[in-house]
Amino acid sequence: EAGVTQFPSHSVIEKGQTVTLRCDPISGHDNLYWYRRVMGKEIKFLLHFVKESKQDESGMPNNRFLAERTGGTYSTLKVQPAELEDSGVYFCASSLSLSGNTIYFGEGSWLTVV
Amino acid sequence: GNSVTQMEGPVTLSEEAFLTINCTYTATGYPSLFWYVQYPGEGLQLLLKATKADDKGSNKGFEATYRKETTSFHLEKGSVQVSDSAVYFCALRSAYGNKLVFGAGTILRVKS
Repeated sequence: EAGVTQFPSHSVIEKGQTVTLRCDPISGHDNLYWYRRVMGKEIKFLLHFVKESKQDESGMPNNRFLAERTGGTYSTLKVQPAELEDSGVYFCASSLSLSGNTIYFGEGSWLTVV
Repeated sequence: GNSVTQMEGPVTLSEEAFLTINCTYTATGYPSLFWYVQYPGEGLQLLLKATKADDKGSNKGFEATYRKETTSFHLEKGSVQVSDSAVYFCALRSAYGNKLVFGAGTILRVKS
């Protein structure tokens, strides 16, 4: 069974440009999460989808970040315009619908803004 | 709010040495506790977990015990290997929600 997959694995963009990260959760997982790790710091929660609905977006840093999950399958996270402080690793994760189930992570998308 | 504090690294050990990575937490209620590991070039993997006080999680020779009285979940391994070199993250999930709260991560380097 395929795990959580993320694309691209690495991206280098200039300040002011736009980047879109994609996440494909494990098939059948209603819950989808985005997290971010800025260099050397803790991994921080960004937001949580249940199917196509945003359950909790309290971790989104500002309105330059837009997450979508049309149809309740894959999700995208767009950063527009990107700033230097957006550099880091963006992790996607998914879990089954019941609370308490293991949360499975992808390999992360490494974003560098120069 | 909920938070996790883990010891700073990097931790450098020789092969077969004993490992301890300290983790303490602050949370309301009774959270579930986790250790995740990130090997070089790979994603986050769940290493072990404990869901209630005095539970011991174990996997691949690693273990951690949920200590409510000291709000701790220290990771231990009796004999580390070079292949254990990775970044280790302690995390909690509140009893009232689904999202994970992570510590800053501890780099472990094991020398042969």
